[in-house]
Amino acid sequence: EPEVTQTPSHQVTQMGQEVILRCVPISNHLYFYWYRQILGQKVEFLVSFYNNEISEKSEIFDDQFSVERPDGSNFTLKIRSTKLEDSAMYFCASKGAVEQYFGPGTRLTVL
Amino acid sequence: RKEVEQDPGPFNVPEGATVAFNCTYSNSASQSFFWYRQDCRKEPKLLMSVYSSGNEDGRFTAQLNRASQYISLLIRDSKLSDSATYLCVVGTLGSGNTGKLIFGQGTTLQVKP
Repeated sequence: EPEVTQTPSHQVTQMGQEVILRCVPISNHLYFYWYRQILGQKVEFLVSFYNNEISEKSEIFDDQFSVERPDGSNFTLKIRSTKLEDSAMYFCASKGAVEQYFGPGTRLTVL
Repeated sequence: RKEVEQDPGPFNVPEGATVAFNCTYSNSASQSFFWYRQDCRKEPKLLMSVYSSGNEDGRFTAQLNRASQYISLLIRDSKLSDSATYLCVVGTLGSGNTGKLIFGQGTTLQVKP
């Protein structure tokens, strides 16, 4: 069964450093998403991506965040200068027709 | 008002019990409805989509009432492996027409032997 994969599973970084989280969506899907979940809180939408451009972004997705699909398979989330409050689980998702399927997540810890 | 509201629980039930979860959503323009399951520190996994006509998948039955903006999930004959957090999720078209998901806080179920 096809699945969304994400790397790394856990990333520890110092405040102010740049991080890149990577995702490989399901191969025939066209819509891609990033969500995050702070420990103990609900899952929150960050950004959606379609046809090689951002379709929608939330208030959380400020100028420190960017997304890219550098080739036909990878989908990345970059945080330029991490803050303590960026510590969370980051989930990538992809969608074919209706249903979104989530990757296993990257746990980001900012020290 | 929260966009998607659920009773956080926890619901503690014995094996074999029937348990029901409810959820309300605030945006009447919502387009799609789902229940996801999330195990501790794992990704949300799609349990089932929810349709106005109601739908069933084995021991799980989901219902949607668009007029009341209400979604439910019924689990029959609970198993120990059903212990998890159940997420009520609503899909909206959003400004980009790409269907972002809005999640509830989740309802925790603990099935005990």
